[in-house]
Amino acid sequence: AQTVTQSQPEMSVQEAETVTLSCTYDTSENNYYLFWYKQPPSRQMILVIRQEAYKQQNATENRFSVNFQKAAKSFSLKISDSQLGDTAMYFCAFMKQAAGGTSYGKLTFGQGTILTVHP
Amino acid sequence: KAGVTQTPRYLIKTRGQQVTLSCSPISGHRSVSWYQQTPGQGLQFLFEYFSETQRNKGNFPGRFSGRQFSNSRSEMNVSTLELGDSALYLCASSSTSGTTGELFFGEGSRLTVL
Repeated sequence: AQTVTQSQPEMSVQEAETVTLSCTYDTSENNYYLFWYKQPPSRQMILVIRQEAYKQQNATENRFSVNFQKAAKSFSLKISDSQLGDTAMYFCAFMKQAAGGTSYGKLTFGQGTILTVHP
Repeated sequence: KAGVTQTPRYLIKTRGQQVTLSCSPISGHRSVSWYQQTPGQGLQFLFEYFSETQRNKGNFPGRFSGRQFSNSRSEMNVSTLELGDSALYLCASSSTSGTTGELFFGEGSRLTVL
């Protein structure tokens, strides 16, 4: 079984600054995906960034980037130039890559980190 | 393209009753997953359906069940409701190929059990 741990229940950052959210995971699988999802207050969860375990290069999406350390089973999210709209609960999540490259919809989530961006 | 639609958005039930929640996936998506979100337990996987077949199941009692129709719409049912079933129930869909692993979530159905 997989476990995902987010050790920071809450974080805060000033607008325009940089913040890093931590995530560690435990698995015996070799092929998997890692994700950061964002859940704004009372709004739907959306994907922030995705990383495939076989790729050594860290994923980036505009102001969002990850530091993926496969051996250490660490997957942190860096948000640069923080904006007020980044205020949300952030979830780190793991998905096993099933046979044939497909996945069967099962995400294992961490407990989440509430990020507040202050003006 | 319309997103994942869940109905109803809010509902209140009493202990012992049953409830059915509905989810319409993004057009073309054939995989539908269900998650329970509570403050204490966080986000937990309930089950996943693909082409009307349950492919994956989480660790929930048999009171939690689901099904998927030929148009990929899915329903989940909780029978004999308990206070602890109060939660936000999220539905997510993904593309047929599933090669990206990305799930697209609905806004959820918030169930309160009194």
